[in-house]
Amino acid sequence: AQSVAQPEDQVNVAEGNPLTVKCTYSVSGNPYLFWYVQYPNRGLQFLLKYITGDNLVKGSYGFEAEFNKSQTSFHLKKPSALVSDSALYFCAVRDPSNDYKLSFGAGTTVTVRA
Amino acid sequence: NAGVTQTPKFQVLKTGQSMTLQCAQDMNHNSMYWYRQDPGMGLRLIYYSASEGTTDKGEVPNGYNVSRLNKREFSLRLESAAPSQTSVYFCASSEGARGKQYFGPGTRLTVL
Repeated sequence: AQSVAQPEDQVNVAEGNPLTVKCTYSVSGNPYLFWYVQYPNRGLQFLLKYITGDNLVKGSYGFEAEFNKSQTSFHLKKPSALVSDSALYFCAVRDPSNDYKLSFGAGTTVTVRA
Repeated sequence: NAGVTQTPKFQVLKTGQSMTLQCAQDMNHNSMYWYRQDPGMGLRLIYYSASEGTTDKGEVPNGYNVSRLNKREFSLRLESAAPSQTSVYFCASSEGARGKQYFGPGTRLTVL
């Protein structure tokens, strides 16, 4: 069965500093990976996905993610964090046997202080 | 274009009561999903509907039923609510299996 792990419950950074949110995955076959963000009292919003191709994927709001097959990781990054980036971030992996099923990580709460 | 809408936003039930959570999307998407979100567990898929007229179980279907009423609407029913079903429920839709999913604002359900 496929799974993702987000090893950090919380990440705290100062505004203007680089932001990294970590994700590792386990899946048989080719991984289809996603990042979603949830702002307070809102539903999840899609940030970016990796299916194949370049290991560096660019997404919404200045975020990017680096796919590393040897380390089975898909870390989310932003070069310069904003206070408005404070939110709950989820990594997800698609079930290789069923395209409709996503497995989500537990989430990482990001707090960006001014 | 409202996207994905859910009703109600909040609900409190007593153990054993029943209720239906409503979801509608106006993006002409084929596929719809119901998730529950619990602290420290991320989102877990309850049921999904690949297309109008079809429904399938997800990771945690026990205690729930669904109906794909038409292409726009996908409801989730709790026949006999239990405290373990206290959660935040999200509906989502996508064009197809590989399309990105669009989420509604959620329903916060408490079962006493």
